[in-house]
Amino acid sequence: GESVGLHLPTLSVQEGDNSIINCAYSNSASDYFIWYKQESGKGPQFIIDIRSNMDKRQGQRVTVLLNKTVKHLSLQIAATQPGDSAVYFCAERGSYIPTFGRGTSLIVHP
Amino acid sequence: GAVVSQHPSRVICKSGTSVKIECRSLDFQATTMFWYRQFPKQSLMLMATSNEGSKATYEQGVEKDKFLINHASLTLSTLTVTSAHPEDSSFYICSASRGQMNTEAFFGQGTRLTVV
Repeated sequence: GESVGLHLPTLSVQEGDNSIINCAYSNSASDYFIWYKQESGKGPQFIIDIRSNMDKRQGQRVTVLLNKTVKHLSLQIAATQPGDSAVYFCAERGSYIPTFGRGTSLIVHP
Repeated sequence: GAVVSQHPSRVICKSGTSVKIECRSLDFQATTMFWYRQFPKQSLMLMATSNEGSKATYEQGVEKDKFLINHASLTLSTLTVTSAHPEDSSFYICSASRGQMNTEAFFGQGTRLTVV
């Protein structure tokens, strides 16, 4: 797998707003996708996953949308809270090796 | 979810010394473990993949003699940074997987290595 070592894009939102974080993936054979949340100084935490036979999956306050046609994944966070401030990564698993997207830094302003 | 414990969480070492980082899966058998390196405000860069009982597979550009990986059991993998230099200072993260496709990998809490 190969990760892109570029600086992270940033999304700033107000507390209570909905947030949408986007991710483009490269491997059309990938059939399993995961969103992770990484807080400063910590390892990534699993948020939600989706398999390629679905185009939408909902969790608590989070929804993942998958568009296989354009190889695009999004994470929607409802009623964003200051505790949601973190870096969010998407990962695809077309093989045993998860491949991470670039990541987006979410900043929630109170 | 499953628990992966990484130790130490922080380490400071002198240039030229070696540092060992441990990654343990506490409640499941990890057939495969992954080691990542992360620079500030950047994504995770895969360094190597290790399968229990076999040699690790290193990503292009990662020196296998510099970053020694051992995966001797289904619950433990170690990364040893040999002859560390200041440019090796980074955040190192392991993850563990049951090795099946289409299953999530569980991450350790990361190790902040500072070489002085």
